[in-house]
Amino acid sequence: AQSVTQPDIHITVSEGASLELRCNYSYGATPYLFWYVQSPGQGLQLLLKYFSGDTLVQGIKGFEAEFKRSQSSFNLRKPSVHWSDAAEYFCAVGADSSGSARQLTFGSGTQLTVLP
Amino acid sequence: ETGVTQSPTHLIKTRGQQVTLRCSSQSGHNTVSWYQQALGQGPQFIFQYYREEENGRGNFPPRFSGLQFPNYSSELNVNALELDDSALYLCASSGPTGTGWETQYFGPGTRLLVL
Repeated sequence: AQSVTQPDIHITVSEGASLELRCNYSYGATPYLFWYVQSPGQGLQLLLKYFSGDTLVQGIKGFEAEFKRSQSSFNLRKPSVHWSDAAEYFCAVGADSSGSARQLTFGSGTQLTVLP
Repeated sequence: ETGVTQSPTHLIKTRGQQVTLRCSSQSGHNTVSWYQQALGQGPQFIFQYYREEENGRGNFPPRFSGLQFPNYSSELNVNALELDDSALYLCASSGPTGTGWETQYFGPGTRLLVL
């Protein structure tokens, strides 16, 4: 079965600093990988996704992520963090579940705090 | 184009009661997935509906059931509520893209509190 690990429960950065959020996955086949962001009391917004091809993917709000098969990682990066980026970030792997459903398996999330 | 909407936004029930949560899919999407997000955790897959049929289920008991309607809107029903059912319930819709894996777009969720 697939699984996702986000090793950092909470990260604090200063506004303008660079950011990297870690994600490691376990999945037997080529994974479909996603990063979502969740603001307090809100649903999940898709930041970016990797299906195939170029291992460096660009997303919304200036985020990017790099797929590294050898390390089973899909880390999220941003060169300069804005105060509005404070939120919880979830990494997810897409896989086929029982039947023909395609389910997302999420990590436990990383809470990002941005200091002024 | 409207996004995924869910109702109600908040709900309080007592243990043993039944609850129905509703979801309207994004325009053009024919697949709905439901997830449970307990406090401080990532969402967990409950089940998925495609063209009004359940086509996959996660590790949830049968008292969690669902429906999808011809307009692709959906309901999640939970019977015999337990305290541990308190969570944010998220609905996600996805549509045919021909690329092999359809991205899921989430609604704002319904927060359920069971007392």
